[in-house]
Amino acid sequence: KNEVEQSPQNLTAQEGEFITINCSYSVGISALHWLQQHPGGGIVSLFMLSSGKKKHGRLIATINIQEKHSSLHITASHPRDSAVYICAAYTDKLIFGTGTRLQVFP
Amino acid sequence: DGGITQSPKYLFRKEGQNVTLSCEQNLNHDAMYWYRQDPGQGLRLIYYSQIVNDFQKGDIAEGYSVSREKKESFPLTVTSAQKNPTAFYLCASSISGTGYNEQFFGPGTRLTVL
Repeated sequence: KNEVEQSPQNLTAQEGEFITINCSYSVGISALHWLQQHPGGGIVSLFMLSSGKKKHGRLIATINIQEKHSSLHITASHPRDSAVYICAAYTDKLIFGTGTRLQVFP
Repeated sequence: DGGITQSPKYLFRKEGQNVTLSCEQNLNHDAMYWYRQDPGQGLRLIYYSQIVNDFQKGDIAEGYSVSREKKESFPLTVTSAQKNPTAFYLCASSISGTGYNEQFFGPGTRLTVL
């Protein structure tokens, strides 16, 4: 069993839909990182959080330390949101989930 | 523009040849990292360096080597001892290697060994 697990693995949505991607981890962490990987392969940092909730534009990330669970929400999804979303938990190093591939269709 | 550059974007090599992947950053970050990404797997740490002239093995260091002679540069050599070198390689940096600091990633190099 992976220490960081994401669900779903693949997600398809229509433009405008509300998206939720989940991340569960089984280790004690100092912080959790949400990343976005575009088809070309480059990775962009979206959020780093250790408690509560953060919001940036249409993206919202939440974390529940007691339940060892984090969610990434995308409101009013758009085709340009199509990417792989990766969560990574920091213990004494980053442990990465396998990613959620999101496709948003017009 | 501050950031991390990796070159080349695509690299093809024959089996048995050593190859060096470049990673440069102008963010004045102390710590740098090399990750490998394979289909269906999370990124895995190859090597990391918390400061110039020092580096440590990550989870999958066998068949790889690194150097950190300058703060801004952290090249990765994939040697012929690496049994399955075809993969996507990502370099990252953070302001410090002590505690957790946000890591910033380069665009990656896709290595194909023929």
